[in-house]
Amino acid sequence: QKEVEQDPGPLSVPEGAIVSLNCTYSNSAFQYFMWYRQYSRKGPELLMYTYSSGNKEDGRFTAQVDKSSKYISLFIRDSQPSDSATYLCAMEGDFGNEKLTFGTGTRLTIIP
Amino acid sequence: KAGVTQTPRYLIKTRGQQVTLSCSPISGHRSVSWYQQTPGQGLQFLFEYFSETQRNKGNFPGRFSGRQFSNSRSEMNVSTLELGDSALYLCASSFGQKNSPLHFGNGTRLTVT
Repeated sequence: QKEVEQDPGPLSVPEGAIVSLNCTYSNSAFQYFMWYRQYSRKGPELLMYTYSSGNKEDGRFTAQVDKSSKYISLFIRDSQPSDSATYLCAMEGDFGNEKLTFGTGTRLTIIP
Repeated sequence: KAGVTQTPRYLIKTRGQQVTLSCSPISGHRSVSWYQQTPGQGLQFLFEYFSETQRNKGNFPGRFSGRQFSNSRSEMNVSTLELGDSALYLCASSFGQKNSPLHFGNGTRLTVT
């Protein structure tokens, strides 16, 4: 069993819809949680960075962390065609050694 | 502020050769990490350097090595290339402390034939 599980999709939704992306994890040592967006032929771009359980909002994006259930989510409101990309969840233990464990990524397409 | 810069963007090598990839971190960042990305395995951690010292290493064979210079720039070397080394190699930089997220470059696409 992988430490981080992420539905690979692909996921296609109409423009304007709310998108929900999810990851589960098994390692209770993970303390920092990130969501990255990766466009084709580009490197991952940091979208959200959270530490504690609860919600963190940034514009149309909301990251949710539930440490008790070992479950994290990313919600995208009012989705746009420019949101079409692969979304990667990533996690790090409380080590400060920059070793992230990534999910496999969910490929998202927003249909105009 | 300039982002993480990786050179070259694309490389084609033959089995058995060696290759060196370069990474310039964001100004002020002292930590540089390297990751391998493949369709089958996703993103996998190779190693991390902080202030010219390797601080952590992933589960890759010794053919994969790296170094960091005093200006925080880093190089990664792969010797005796194998077909399975074909991948996107990503470099990421950060301040190297807890609660400092990684920022990635656009990667070097390595193809081994």
